[in-house]
Amino acid sequence: ESVLTQTPGTLSLSPGERATLSCRASQSVSGSYLAWYQQKPGQAPRLLIYGASTRATGIPDRFSGSGSGTDFTLTISRLEPEDFAVYYCQQYGRPYTYTFGQGTKLEIK
Amino acid sequence: QVQLVQSGAEVKKPGASVKVSCKASGYTFTAYYIHWMRQAPGQRLEWMGWINPNSGGTIYAQKFQGRVTMTRDTSISTVYMELSRLRSDDTAVYYCARGPASGDFDIWGQGTLVTVSS
Repeated sequence: ESVLTQTPGTLSLSPGERATLSCRASQSVSGSYLAWYQQKPGQAPRLLIYGASTRATGIPDRFSGSGSGTDFTLTISRLEPEDFAVYYCQQYGRPYTYTFGQGTKLEIK
Repeated sequence: QVQLVQSGAEVKKPGASVKVSCKASGYTFTAYYIHWMRQAPGQRLEWMGWINPNSGGTIYAQKFQGRVTMTRDTSISTVYMELSRLRSDDTAVYYCARGPASGDFDIWGQGTLVTVSS
């Protein structure tokens, strides 16, 4: 089973800055099966990106995803106050394994 | 709107069972699989299994096989997740989420806190 490792564990930035979050898999991931989620305290995760680079419905275009193989990146071009949260990557591997990274906490500097 | 609404928080003793419900609305219930995940305090999300609401077919993560049962009632667009032989390390927030058999989860329930304590 592939393990997802996210870096950094915590990222301290200011509104307006650019955020770059990394997700590394222990085994190659099909690009169609890598997703990113945002989670705020007391809330369920929210799908941001699927298929490594496709924004989910209603997600602002300041969020973008990239990568292939074992290395994936979530970029937030200009941070808004509501973007400070925990971000998780998730992959699907055959047969029927779904794993999540441990999360990156994006906090206000 | 499309949503999944879960049942309320539960407190259980070790060895007991818990059954959490997840009611779907705003879309065709039988058109999407429902997955269950859980998130223990300070831990990453963990996938438990899925149910196909159309056929009732299920797939469970190996870790939970023998302890988890997922069922559905199509008449009320609701799926259920029952976890038996509870232990203290089953204390977590349990989520249902909509998604295909392969891939991502686009709609999530609000979560149900299950606390296992003697």
